[in-house]
Amino acid sequence: AQTVTQSQPEMSVQEAETVTLSCTYDTSESDYYLFWYKQPPSRQMILVIRQEAYKQQNATENRFSVNFQKAAKSFSLKISDSQLGDAAMYFCASPWVNMYSGGGADGLTFGKGTHLIIQP
Amino acid sequence: DGGITQSPKYLFRKEGQNVTLSCEQNLNHDAMYWYRQDPGQGLRLIYYSQIVNDFQKGDIAEGYSVSREKKESFPLTVTSAQKNPTAFYLCASSIWDRESVQYFGPGTRLTVT
Repeated sequence: AQTVTQSQPEMSVQEAETVTLSCTYDTSESDYYLFWYKQPPSRQMILVIRQEAYKQQNATENRFSVNFQKAAKSFSLKISDSQLGDAAMYFCASPWVNMYSGGGADGLTFGKGTHLIIQP
Repeated sequence: DGGITQSPKYLFRKEGQNVTLSCEQNLNHDAMYWYRQDPGQGLRLIYYSQIVNDFQKGDIAEGYSVSREKKESFPLTVTSAQKNPTAFYLCASSIWDRESVQYFGPGTRLTVT
């Protein structure tokens, strides 16, 4: 079974500073994507960033970037210049890849989340 | 506007009653998913459907049922057999490809007393 572990239940950062959220995963797949989702107080799940395991280059989306260490199965999220609107739960997720049916995902395995607090 | 709708936002039921949660998408996605979220937990997969008229159990399917008669609709029924039905339920959809980015609806909070 796949597992995704987020070891930081809560993190706090000052506005405008940088914070890194940790995630480790365990998969037997060789070709996969990894995702970070944000869940603000509205509880709407929003995709933050995705990383393809085959790509050496770490993904970046504006102030959000990842540090992907494939051998260590580590997928951390770095948020630069933190803003009050970044306050949310952040979930790391890994897909169950269905290699028998076109490579789509049978579902996502989520970590338990990290609650990010932004101090003004 | 393309997206996923879930209704209602809040739902209250008495113990012993079945209840159906609605999920509709107009993204033309093949795959649809139902997840359950409990306090302090990540999301757990209940059921998923790759195509119309086909669906598969996820990690926690006991006490739930689904149907997929139309591509855009994937309703979830919480039956009286589900021991702890009070939770937040999220529906998602995706294109069936290797990237499989899932897009989520706003969720339904179900309270059973």
